[in-house]
Amino acid sequence: GDSVTQMEGPVTLSEEAFLTINCTYTATGYPSLFWYVQYPGEGLQLLLKATKADDKGSNKGFEATYRKETTSFHLEKGSVQVSDSAVYFCALSLFGGSQGNLIFGKGTKLSVKP
Amino acid sequence: EAQVTQNPRYLITVTGKKLTVTCSQNMNHEYMSWYRQDPGLGLRQIYYSMNVEVTDKGDVPEGYKVSRKEKRNFPLILESPSPNQTSLYFCATKGGVSGYTFGSGTRLTVV
Repeated sequence: GDSVTQMEGPVTLSEEAFLTINCTYTATGYPSLFWYVQYPGEGLQLLLKATKADDKGSNKGFEATYRKETTSFHLEKGSVQVSDSAVYFCALSLFGGSQGNLIFGKGTKLSVKP
Repeated sequence: EAQVTQNPRYLITVTGKKLTVTCSQNMNHEYMSWYRQDPGLGLRQIYYSMNVEVTDKGDVPEGYKVSRKEKRNFPLILESPSPNQTSLYFCATKGGVSGYTFGSGTRLTVV
């Protein structure tokens, strides 16, 4: 079935370090891909998305490129800040038969130290 | 402001005592959904609804019920809660350019 696999955490980085969180997916059809962020004690916020192959989503210094050939959507940021500490979820959505249900990875907790 | 409102934010209850978690949206979206979030498991879909009076099971529907009598509301009902339903619950809607919008979550503890 359709699924998302993302790297397990927790990930601990120093401020200004480079961040990569790996995400790969399995899907029938052509999914849209998303990264959501959950700050401590809060709900989920959309961080970025991409709807077709080779699209690059970007927001708040984060980027991810939809790679159909490797079925990947890795999240990157060149210089993390303490305020980026959160749980990050990769997700996919298939339109049509499943009516756009979101399928999530298990989440990766990021802690950024000053 | 477009929003999804869940109530309550926190709830502690005892095994077997029926409870309802409410979800309301002001975006006139047809699609609504419930998820539960558990450590190491991510978010898993419980139920979803494509429109009024149309509901369907997600990945983990056992022990839950939903209803969709009007477009704006999508309550989650636990007829006989058990400790394994202790979790963080999120309601979500989907529609138009706004895509998915999540509520702030309901942290449920069943003792």
